[in-house]
Amino acid sequence: AQSVAQPEDQVNVAEGNPLTVKCTYSVSGNPYLFWYVQYPNRGLQFLLKYITGDNLVKGSYGFEAEFNKSQTSFHLKKPSALVSDSALYFCAVRVGGGFQKLVFGTGTRLLVSP
Amino acid sequence: DADVTQTPRNRITKTGKRIMLECSQTKGHDRMYWYRQDPGLGLRLIYYSFDVKDINKGEISDGYSVSRQAQAKFSLSLESAIPNQTALYFCATSAGANEQFFGPGTRLTVL
Repeated sequence: AQSVAQPEDQVNVAEGNPLTVKCTYSVSGNPYLFWYVQYPNRGLQFLLKYITGDNLVKGSYGFEAEFNKSQTSFHLKKPSALVSDSALYFCAVRVGGGFQKLVFGTGTRLLVSP
Repeated sequence: DADVTQTPRNRITKTGKRIMLECSQTKGHDRMYWYRQDPGLGLRLIYYSFDVKDINKGEISDGYSVSRQAQAKFSLSLESAIPNQTALYFCATSAGANEQFFGPGTRLTVL
């Protein structure tokens, strides 16, 4: 089955330190990968996507993600974390033929401490 | 995202009641979706719609129905609510197969 996995339920990092939120995928063919963020009492917000091209994708709020085909990973990164980055992060992959739907991971909670 | 609105934002109902959740969008997108979010399970697709005349079941459609009244409106109904339908429900839209934009969610509690 085509899917994404987020191996960490929670990631803790101190403000100012670099952060990484992990995502691995399992798809047939070329993967179309996405990251979304969910702040408390809010819907999901699109951060960035990988379709093709450069393996390093830059997105909103200073986030970037690195696509690694050999490791089937699409980790979300930020050089310097902010307390306001604390939220729930979802990785997703686009699957399907005629109708391409998103399959989401289970989410990773990021806690950035002051 | 203010371009995708959901009503109500919170709802408490009793087992067996019929309930409707509504979604409207001003983004002009053709595709609309309904998801439910449960802790530890991520988002699961309930129904999706290409356009007004095209509605499709997602992975967890049992116990739910939908109506696409117009391109901008997509409602989700629970015909006879049960407690395990207690969840956070999200509507989303997209232009074709591009990234999806989500509403603020409806927190539904079934007693």
